[in-house]
Order: sequence, then structure tokens, then C-alpha cells
Amino acid sequence: QSVLPQPPSASGTPGQRVIISCSGGSSNIGRDRVSWYQHVAGVAPKLLIYKTFQRPSGVPDRFSGSKSGTSASLAISGLRYEDEADYYCVVWDDSLRGYVFGSGTKVTVL
Amino acid sequence: EGQVVESGGGLVHPGGSLRLSCAASGFPIANYWMHWVRQAPGKGLVWVARIDDGVGRTDYAESVRGRFTISRDSARNTLYLHMSSLRADDAALYYCVSDFTGFEDSWGQGTLVTVSS
Repeated sequence: QSVLPQPPSASGTPGQRVIISCSGGSSNIGRDRVSWYQHVAGVAPKLLIYKTFQRPSGVPDRFSGSKSGTSASLAISGLRYEDEADYYCVVWDDSLRGYVFGSGTKVTVL
Repeated sequence: EGQVVESGGGLVHPGGSLRLSCAASGFPIANYWMHWVRQAPGKGLVWVARIDDGVGRTDYAESVRGRFTISRDSARNTLYLHMSSLRADDAALYYCVSDFTGFEDSWGQGTLVTVSS
């Protein structure tokens, strides 16, 4: 099963900004919209970003998504201890005819 | 607000079969694309399958194509995942998701599948 590469870990102190990248190709990120999920162990994953930039209601504007070519990014500004979690990008892949998740990034707040 | 509750997980031998169920409430599953997503112990999230909100068109991850079948019973408002020829690497927590990647997405708490002899 293909996965999109993400850095395995990222960290920062409270208040800092952390950026998580997601690398894809022309059959996925290059042609479709990206979503981002936050996952804390033992809890169902939570949608943070959909359609590359959009935030569902209730998600603070500290979380923002962007895309350039075949790569996407999730930025977390004003880092808080409650942001400690695993973060995954996900996008439809037209070649595989299925959704592909990123490999996941574990964010630690120091 | 919609809710989904998975069931049917358990211990199965390699090569065996299992059927997972996902009971939905608060919304008609026939009006939404419905998905299954899984997470093996210590691993990342993996999309498994989806069924559309119309004629019932389905798509599958390469790793389960030909072995798993997603279906729905609109009268029971229940989604299913029929799994056969199960392998050790199918062991995972299986989540039912409505409107996956949409702003109204809803996840259950998952049902655990263990594949072992």
C-alpha cells in the first residue's frame, strides 16, 4: 500500500510554529485536494483541514493548510500542549483509484 | 449530529472470513459516501474501501481488492465490510467513516480485528 512521505516527527515549544510537509505526485496531490487529520491514541481521528485550505467549524485558525505543486503542508501556529498528536495528510490517488494517507508525523510539544 | 458504531471484530484464523458492521444513526447512509479506514497496531492510518451515495459504486485499496467487499443495507441504515482470505497484515482497528475528508465527517470508535492461528 503506497503512502505519502511525511517527516516522522516534529517538535516545538509552546507558542512556536510547526510545519508538517506531505510529498506526493501528479496522480494525487498534483491533481486533487488534500485533507489533514489529527489522531490521538485511543480517540477517533479528527479532521483539521479539508479541500486543502478549509477548516471545519470548531477547528481553530491556528491550523492552516497549503499546497504547492505535488507537495502539501500543514502549519500549526501558537503551538499548545494539547496539539501533541499524530498528523496525517490524505488525498485521492487517480492512478491507484483509492485514497492514500501520509506516513504520519508525531508532533511533540517540548 | 450523525453517529456510527462499528461491531463484528474479533479473532480469526489466517485464511478465514469476518463481517464487520457499522450501524448509523442521525443520518441516512445512502445519502453519503461511506468508508472503512484501518490502523494496524503501531502503524499509520490506511484507507480500505468506499461505497458511493448513489448506485452503490465501490472502490478498494490495492491490498484488499478481491478479498474485501463493502456493502450497505439502507433499510437497516448499516454499512458492512465482508473480509475473506484474511492475512496477518489485515489485523487492525477498523473504523467506519461517513463523509470521509468532508466537513461533516463522522468516525466510530472502531472494531478490532485480530488474525492469528
